[in-house]
Amino acid sequence: AQSVTQLGSHVSVSEGALVLLRCNYSSSVPPYLFWYVQYPNQGLQLLLKYTTGATLVKGINGFEAEFKKSETSFHLTKPSAHMSDAAEYFCAVRGSQGNLIFGKGTKLSVKP
Amino acid sequence: DTGVSQDPRHKITKRGQNVTFRCDPISEHNRLYWYRQTLGQGPEFLTYFQNEAQLEKSRLLSDRFSAERPKGSFSTLEIQRTEQGDSAMYLCASSETGTVSNQPQHFGDGTRLSIL
Repeated sequence: AQSVTQLGSHVSVSEGALVLLRCNYSSSVPPYLFWYVQYPNQGLQLLLKYTTGATLVKGINGFEAEFKKSETSFHLTKPSAHMSDAAEYFCAVRGSQGNLIFGKGTKLSVKP
Repeated sequence: DTGVSQDPRHKITKRGQNVTFRCDPISEHNRLYWYRQTLGQGPEFLTYFQNEAQLEKSRLLSDRFSAERPKGSFSTLEIQRTEQGDSAMYLCASSETGTVSNQPQHFGDGTRLSIL
């Protein structure tokens, strides 16, 4: 069975600072991993995905994530935070039926 | 691409009433998923359709819940005899079939259900 753990329910950074959101996964098969962002009262928007191939994945809005099999991690980073990045971020792994299994989310706050 | 559309955006109802939500997926997408998201949690899978066939249901989908996708296009999710614990955001997502694991799911903005 697959699962995802997101470390830190809240992360606060200053504008211009590095953003690092942590995600660890558990999977009995090669995982397919995703990061989604959710703004208040909205659905989820795909930031990036890892399926196979290159382990460093680039997404939208300057975000990227690196798949590290040895660490079972898929952390999300962005070199310089913008105020507009304030939102909730969810890491997910693909389940056996094609459904997504989400972590509990990390709320990102960006201070001016 | 008009995106995934959900209706209504908000629903307030009294405990014990029935409610129905609608989801219109992206037109060329064969797969349609329903998720439930409670406060402070990530979305949890409820059920999914491949065209009109309902292929999987989560244990979260009690017998008070029923979902349909009669013509393989839009889908409805009905909750009968609503309970306080049903208060949540109900999210719909769709994807192309293709190679299942490679196809991203596109989400609607959800229906927020509040039970009085």
